[in-house]
Amino acid sequence: KNEVEQSPQNLTAQEGEFITINCSYSVGISALHWLQQHPGGGIVSLFMLSSGKKKHGRLIATINIQEKHSSLHITASHPRDSAVYICAVREQAAGNKLTFGGGTRVLVKP
Amino acid sequence: EPEVTQTPSHQVTQMGQEVILRCVPISNHLYFYWYRQILGQKVEFLVSFYNNEISEKSEIFDDQFSVERPDGSNFTLKIRSTKLEDSAMYFCASSQSPRGGYGYTFGSGTRLTVV
Repeated sequence: KNEVEQSPQNLTAQEGEFITINCSYSVGISALHWLQQHPGGGIVSLFMLSSGKKKHGRLIATINIQEKHSSLHITASHPRDSAVYICAVREQAAGNKLTFGGGTRVLVKP
Repeated sequence: EPEVTQTPSHQVTQMGQEVILRCVPISNHLYFYWYRQILGQKVEFLVSFYNNEISEKSEIFDDQFSVERPDGSNFTLKIRSTKLEDSAMYFCASSQSPRGGYGYTFGSGTRLTVV
């Protein structure tokens, strides 16, 4: 059974700080998603990765397939980045479904 | 930017009642999904749907649940006889390709409260 673990569970940062969220998983995957969930509950897709690195604005996502590990970085963090960030993976042998991590709650203080 | 639309945003229902949660996926997407998130827990897969049939379902998706695409735009999740433990946020998602090759798009969710 695939376990998707995120760390830390909670993170508080001062505005402008660099933030890193980690995700590890236990089985082979075909893709990894980073998602953002705001207090109202809606989920927004940030990145889908199968290798290497992607950048969008102040967000950077990396993945190391051999080590079964991915990181999401937020540069120059801002209070509007406050949200829950969720890692989800699609296993190689498990059809289309995503298996989710427990999320990292990020609070950026002004 | 195209959106997945879910209605209602919040529904309160009596235990034992039937509920239908509605979703309008992105128009050129072919693969549709329902996920749920019980308060304080991880998001869990319920079911995936393609070509008018279920392609995969989880253990959670028992006989109380059904999905349907009644017309060319709507995708619905029906819970026949709700239980207290069905209280959760239900998310619809769609993707263009079978393995989400162009990514998933999630709806904003329906919060179901069973009383």
